[in-house]
Amino acid sequence: AQSVTQPDIHITVSEGASLELRCNYSYGATPYLFWYVQSPGQGLQLLLKYFSGDTLVQGIKGFEAEFKRSQSSFNLRKPSVHWSDAAEYFCAVGAKAGGGADGLTFGKGTHLIIQP
Amino acid sequence: DGGITQSPKYLFRKEGQNVTLSCEQNLNHDAMYWYRQDPGQGLRLIYYSQIVNDFQKGDIAEGYSVSREKKESFPLTVTSAQKNPTAFYLCASSILGGGYTFGSGTRLTVV
Repeated sequence: AQSVTQPDIHITVSEGASLELRCNYSYGATPYLFWYVQSPGQGLQLLLKYFSGDTLVQGIKGFEAEFKRSQSSFNLRKPSVHWSDAAEYFCAVGAKAGGGADGLTFGKGTHLIIQP
Repeated sequence: DGGITQSPKYLFRKEGQNVTLSCEQNLNHDAMYWYRQDPGQGLRLIYYSQIVNDFQKGDIAEGYSVSREKKESFPLTVTSAQKNPTAFYLCASSILGGGYTFGSGTRLTVV
């Protein structure tokens, strides 16, 4: 069965500092990998996704993520965070077979706090 | 603009009642999904549907039911058999092989 682990429940970063959110997945085949962001009481917004090809993917809002097959990781990074980045971040994995239509498996999320 | 509409935004249920959460999309997506979100638990899949008139149970389907009579609509009924229904419910849709688009959610509270 597929699974996603986000080891950090909370992360606090100073505004302007760099950010890395960790994500490790377990999946038997080549996975579809996603990062989503959620503001309080809202739905999820897709930041970026990895399906194949270049292992460094660029997303919206200045985020990027790197797929490392050997480490089963898909960590999210941003070189300089802004106060508006404070939110909940979710990593997710889906099955390549069937195009992911059988649902994504989500990690439990990392709550990002930005210090002024 | 295309998107997913969930209604209502807030819903209150009495003990023993069934309630239905609405999810409508105008993205022409084939697949639709329902997730439940609890604090610190991430999102858990309740049901999903890849085509009209067909749907599959997810990880936590007990106490829930769905229908997919139209491509655009995927309503979720929380039945009285669901013993702990208070949660935030998210609907999503996707094209096969594509990313997921989420609605803004419905917060269900048992009173």
